[in-house]
Amino acid sequence: EAQVTQNPRYLITVTGKKLTVTCSQNMNHEYMSWYRQDPGLGLRQIYYSMNVEVTDKGDVPEGYKVSRKEKRNFPLILESPSPNQTSLYFCASSAGTDLGEQYFGPGTRLTVT
Amino acid sequence: KQEVTQIPAALSVPEGENLVLNCSFTDSAIYNLQWFRQDPGKGLTSLLLIQSSQREQTSGRLNASLDKSSGRSTLYIAASQPGDSATYLCAVSSLTFKTIFGAGTRLFVKA
Repeated sequence: EAQVTQNPRYLITVTGKKLTVTCSQNMNHEYMSWYRQDPGLGLRQIYYSMNVEVTDKGDVPEGYKVSRKEKRNFPLILESPSPNQTSLYFCASSAGTDLGEQYFGPGTRLTVT
Repeated sequence: KQEVTQIPAALSVPEGENLVLNCSFTDSAIYNLQWFRQDPGKGLTSLLLIQSSQREQTSGRLNASLDKSSGRSTLYIAASQPGDSATYLCAVSSLTFKTIFGAGTRLFVKA
């Protein structure tokens, strides 16, 4: 089944403890992206990647890192999480060398205390 | 900087009604526009994608139009059903493939 998977789905952590949220797609998509969704602020793009080793900042990249070493994986790294990074995170992917229809993963709910 | 606005923020209609959701954007230099639905506590489901060179796309009871010059897109839902109740989001992608979402329209269809 074609899908975007995220792990973990739920995570509670403490301020300053480094964490990684993984994203993987099995559709051989070039484009991948991370978003966060917050009440009252909607969905905002964190980082996106057009291909392996190519990444670019979205609207809210501060406090996050990404890497794209393989086409299928696009992990989101929080080196020193803070409570304001408590959010619902979504990974998405899209086929083609240009941006097409974006398919979203199920989401990761992160709480930083 | 691109801004995406969706009107109305919320809408309640009786079952069977045809309805229109609106999405406007400030920068007409877009690559494409995509409509999604999101059910409470769930992820996003893609509904329709319109490339910048297209005027409309249709899927079943859904029709999305795009007027790039005026910075507007509409999502038309025919013969609404209770199962259509959800939040509808539009997302505009720029020529550099950055994506901006609108805040969404929360739709409730009464049986």
